[in-house]
Amino acid sequence: KAGVTQTPRYLIKTRGQQVTLSCSPISGHRSVSWYQQTPGQGLQFLFEYFSETQRNKGNFPGRFSGRQFSNSRSEMNVSTLELGDSALYLCASSFLDSFSYEQYFGPGTRLTVT
Amino acid sequence: SQQGEEDPQALSIQEGENATMNCSYKTSINNLQWYRQNSGRGLVHLILIRSNEREKHSGRLRVTLDTSKKSSSLLITASRAADTASYFCATVPTDSWGKLQFGAGTQVVVTP
Repeated sequence: KAGVTQTPRYLIKTRGQQVTLSCSPISGHRSVSWYQQTPGQGLQFLFEYFSETQRNKGNFPGRFSGRQFSNSRSEMNVSTLELGDSALYLCASSFLDSFSYEQYFGPGTRLTVT
Repeated sequence: SQQGEEDPQALSIQEGENATMNCSYKTSINNLQWYRQNSGRGLVHLILIRSNEREKHSGRLRVTLDTSKKSSSLLITASRAADTASYFCATVPTDSWGKLQFGAGTQVVVTP
């Protein structure tokens, strides 16, 4: 089975711009979660989607949004980028949800905001 | 904010030695999971232990869970240079399905 894929792998953007990151989960997985990893704050949960519905949301401003398509692929969008948004963004998929099943992570998208 | 706190923050050992790291958390959980991350790459799931379990083994890994103390430990036996990585514990709180809350991680360096 192919693993979780994320595109692009690296991205450089300027303050004020917006960005869209993409995640393709493992085939058959319906839950997709997004995390932000920074040296200062560590790994923080952004949101989780299951069957095209946002089921959980972390404590991030409304500039961070996401969606999931009928094929379980997911995108996250960050508008009006700030320098502090520079981070590794990780996507993870699981078969049902992280209560019963482990999450499989993609390699991440490294976003640098200048 | 982070749910878990790992201890120690960093650990340096030689090949063949055992590595032990601890994780404490704050709220009631459904399960606790341990992940490994190699140098800024994606996380790899190592082991999941449910709240009604006390100990679990997987290869050279041994995980314990003490829900009364809200703590868990990960033991890596007979460590290898390839075990060099950051190790994170993550909890699934009882009131938040689908939401992993990670600790700050323990950075482990295994020298040949």
